[in-house]
Amino acid sequence: AQSVSQHNHHVILSEAASLELGCNYSYGGTVNLFWYVQYPGQHLQLLLKYFSGDPLVKGIKGFEAEFIKSKFSFNLRKPSVQWSDTAEYFCAVNGPGFKTIFGAGTRLFVKA
Amino acid sequence: NAGVTQTPKFRVLKTGQSMTLLCAQDMNHEYMYWYRQDPGMGLRLIHYSVGEGTTAKGEVPDGYNVSRLKKQNFLLGLESAAPSQTSVYFCASSYAQGLGNTEAFFGQGTRLTVV
Repeated sequence: AQSVSQHNHHVILSEAASLELGCNYSYGGTVNLFWYVQYPGQHLQLLLKYFSGDPLVKGIKGFEAEFIKSKFSFNLRKPSVQWSDTAEYFCAVNGPGFKTIFGAGTRLFVKA
Repeated sequence: NAGVTQTPKFRVLKTGQSMTLLCAQDMNHEYMYWYRQDPGMGLRLIHYSVGEGTTAKGEVPDGYNVSRLKKQNFLLGLESAAPSQTSVYFCASSYAQGLGNTEAFFGQGTRLTVV
């Protein structure tokens, strides 16, 4: 069965630190990949997505993610985090024949 | 353009009571989904619909029923609420499935507590 693994459940960073959140999926075929963000008390919003083409995808608020097919990975990065990036981040994958599967989420806390 | 709207936002039920959560989308999306979110478990798919009049089971369907009588609405029913159904419920919709433009748009969530 398809699955999504997020490596860190909790991450604490200081402002201006660099961020990388790991995401690996298990499915050998073509997939769509997503990162969603959930700010405290809010619903999930799309941060960025990858369907095809350039494996380095840029999203909103300075986030980017790199799809590495050989590693089945789609890691999220940001060079310099802000306090307002405090949120929970979910990696997700879907594809032909299966519905969107979400990772367990990573809670990011950014210290001001 | 409201996007995806869920009602109610909060609800407390007693064990054994029933209730219906309403989801409405105004984006003309074919696909609609109900997820539950529990700490450390991400989002798990309860039921989904690929079009008006259709429904299908997701990962955790037991104890829930759904209906999609109109394209824009997707109802989630709890027949006899149990404490294990205490969760945050999210409705979502998407334009397509398969490859391509398949990102989901989420509602604000319903926080349900069963006592």
